[in-house]
Amino acid sequence: AQKVTQAQTEISVVEKEDVTLDCVYETRDTTYYLFWYKQPPSGELVFLIRRNSFDEQNEISGRYSWNFQKSTSSFNFTITASQVVDSAVYFCALSEGGGANSKLTFGKGITLSVRP
Amino acid sequence: DAGVIQSPRHEVTEMGQEVTLRCKPISGHDYLFWYRQTMMRGLELLIYFNNNVPIDDSGMPEDRFSAKMPNASFSTLKIQPSEPRDSAVYFCASSTQVPLQPQHFGDGTRLSIL
Repeated sequence: AQKVTQAQTEISVVEKEDVTLDCVYETRDTTYYLFWYKQPPSGELVFLIRRNSFDEQNEISGRYSWNFQKSTSSFNFTITASQVVDSAVYFCALSEGGGANSKLTFGKGITLSVRP
Repeated sequence: DAGVIQSPRHEVTEMGQEVTLRCKPISGHDYLFWYRQTMMRGLELLIYFNNNVPIDDSGMPEDRFSAKMPNASFSTLKIQPSEPRDSAVYFCASSTQVPLQPQHFGDGTRLSIL
């Protein structure tokens, strides 16, 4: 069974601070996909990134960066120089294998508050 | 490009009533997912379809819940009879080439059962 753990529930930082959101996953599959989604106060779910299990390269997109480490089953998300607009709930998710039987399992989410 | 469209955005009804939530996936997407989000349980997958066929409905809470996808551009999630514990935000998402491509979510339906 696949599982995603986001141990941090709420994080509060001051604007311009860096913040890292942790994600630990469990799976028995060798092929799997990891995702991060953002849910701002308006409520919609916004896709941020997808990473497959064969690609451990870290990725940077502007102020966002992701650190994927298979050795520790972690897929952490760092926001550099945080801004008030980054305030949202962030979900890490896992999908095993591929094909028609792929389910997306979400973590419980981390509520990030960025104060001015 | 139009995203996933859900209706209604908000629904308030009394327990015992039938509730129907609607979803129009992104054109060309052959996977459609229904999720429920609550404070206690987070985001849960209820059911998903591939090419209009239900693939996995193991997340559907009980027989009061049913989902259909009569064609590639429309799906419904129905609750009959509704109960206060069904109050939640219900999201529809669509995708293609799961899981190579991400799921794109609608804005959700906030359901309140009084």
